[in-house]
Amino acid sequence: QVQLVQSGAEVMQPGASVKVSCKASGYTFTNSAIHWVRQAPGQRLEWMGWINTNLGTTKFSPKFQGRVTITRDTSATTAYMELSSLTSEDTAIYYCAKLGGTYFHYWGQGTPVTVSS
Amino acid sequence: QSALTQPASVSGSPGQSITISCTGTSSDVGSYNLVSWYQQHPGKAPQLIIYEGAKRPSGVSSRFSGSKSGNTASLTISGLQPGDEGDYYCCSYVTGSTYVFGSGTTLTVL
Repeated sequence: QVQLVQSGAEVMQPGASVKVSCKASGYTFTNSAIHWVRQAPGQRLEWMGWINTNLGTTKFSPKFQGRVTITRDTSATTAYMELSSLTSEDTAIYYCAKLGGTYFHYWGQGTPVTVSS
Repeated sequence: QSALTQPASVSGSPGQSITISCTGTSSDVGSYNLVSWYQQHPGKAPQLIIYEGAKRPSGVSSRFSGSKSGNTASLTISGLQPGDEGDYYCCSYVTGSTYVFGSGTTLTVL
């Protein structure tokens, strides 16, 4: 069965960078894009960007362009999302999701990231 | 890339039907039949309930249905059950291979 398992919770200082991983299993990793979505406390879901896991190409929301990097390691069937220049407004749960067509069919369990001094 | 517009909250009694709207623009909802809907319970990851406007994934109840008219997509839940309580989000493909979520709707079953 398809599974996306994310790395654990992080507590970061303002100005730092955080890198979250998403380990995929149960399907051919390079056949489906991986997207990243975040949700601040009590707030809506917010789409951040995605990676073509076969080609390694990426696309980002204008809001995060220049501050987010998404990479993948095909041998490890793992995608990574790195967000830099963190502020308290980046405190959120970060989800990875597997694209099925044009919808998010499977989701990781979420990685809480807290930005606090 | 502004969020799609959803009502903040809707409510209904068990057995009733409710509809949640999702209004976008001609660059997203209006241009494609590629709206998906997600249910989210507190502390849990979102779960896909409708894709490509009106299709249901395997295992999702037929009580959930989707439709679209112009720049507005809609999710209807019939025969409301207490377990339907939670947050609901629409999401649309956007020209340029990006995506946008809705503002979210909290459903209360009275």
